[in-house]
This record gives sequence, structure tokens and C-alpha cells, in this order.
Amino acid sequence: DADVTQTPRNRITKTGKRIMLECSQTKGHDRMYWYRQDPGLGLRLIYYSFDVKDINKGEISDGYSVSRQAQAKFSLSLESAIPNQTALYFCATMGGNTEAFFGQGTRLTVV
Amino acid sequence: GEDVEQSLFLSVREGDSSVINCTYTDSSSTYLYWYKQEPGAGLQLLTYIFSNMDMKQDQRLTVLLNKKDKHLSLRIADTQTGDSAIYFCAESSGQAGTALIFGKGTTLSVSS
Repeated sequence: DADVTQTPRNRITKTGKRIMLECSQTKGHDRMYWYRQDPGLGLRLIYYSFDVKDINKGEISDGYSVSRQAQAKFSLSLESAIPNQTALYFCATMGGNTEAFFGQGTRLTVV
Repeated sequence: GEDVEQSLFLSVREGDSSVINCTYTDSSSTYLYWYKQEPGAGLQLLTYIFSNMDMKQDQRLTVLLNKKDKHLSLRIADTQTGDSAIYFCAESSGQAGTALIFGKGTTLSVSS
């Protein structure tokens, strides 16, 4: 089983729809992150969480919300999707200060 | 603010060495990382270096860190076509390594 699992892997949704991307991890780490990747822009941090009661905004949090349901689960929601939220989304978890483990990504298209 | 800069493209011939450069801004970064992303895949950690080191070697990979200039480089010896990918430099930024801040990525193209 993968250390970090993202669902769905691909999703097409319409403008204005609410959508949730889910992430679960089996590493037992406290820290979890959501990033989006756009061509030529690298990975930009959306939200991060240090534990269930700790949620922090990243560089580009506008238009997104998150929920840390348990240590192992961290979901990202787009309340009203818009086309410029079309991107590849990555969830990651990190323990200590060394390696971050990434999911395989969710490719989201907003039409 | 925090920013990590990389050149966007590098093209080399198979068998040559590749050097990918990166500059970062957070002098308190404890660790600096190189990640690799192959087409259609997630990110794979290649190597990392602790900020009190100036060099780390791991098989074909050599990482050099110049902390004074906030400059990090990744050298790949004997580059192969399988090394073609996007390479991301990242720093752990913020108190206690809050989050990884990534550069925009360098696309390495290896021709045979």
C-alpha cells in the first residue's frame, strides 16, 4: 500500500460545483500538506496542518478550505470551483525535518 | 519573503554531467532537498543536505551547498536518458521546518 493515498486520481467538474479531494497517510506523521502544481510554477502550498486541531494557510489558500478529520486524513475542498483551479494537486506528509512523502496527485479539471 | 529560484530548462547529452542550480532565501532552513518528478508521476525524494554540511555525495549525485550565498546545486554524473525529468529544489522553511517551499522546477532533457 502507498504511504500517501489521494482520491480521486482524476476529476472533471463544472464551474461552481463543490468538490472534495481526499488524502490519507499510513506514515503516522502529524504534519500534512496540500500543494497545487501548475506548469512552470512548481508546487505552491495551499494549506498545512500540524495536528487535528492545527490548520494553517499557505501561500495560495483563497478559494480552498481543508479539514483534518484524523491524524491520517486531510481533505481539501473547493467550495465553488473555477477554471483557474484546474491543476495537479498533491498531498504530502512529513515527519521530523527530513523527508516529505507525496501522494500520486489528483488531476482536477474545472470546465 | 520566501522564494526558491531555479533555471527552468537544461539540456545535456547522454554520458555528460548535469548541474542544476538553485538559490534560496531562508537562511534558517535546516534542510535543503532535491526532488525528482517523472512524467505523470508524483515527487520522489532524491537527496537532501543538512544546513551544516557543504557537500553530500550519493552514487551519481553530488549536492553542493554554499550557505553564505544561499546556493544549492545538484550534479548528476554520467547522465542517462532515464534521468530526464523535472527536478525541484526545496527548502524547509519556518519555525521547526514548517513546510517545504519549492522552486519552479528545472526540466532536464537528456539526448542520446
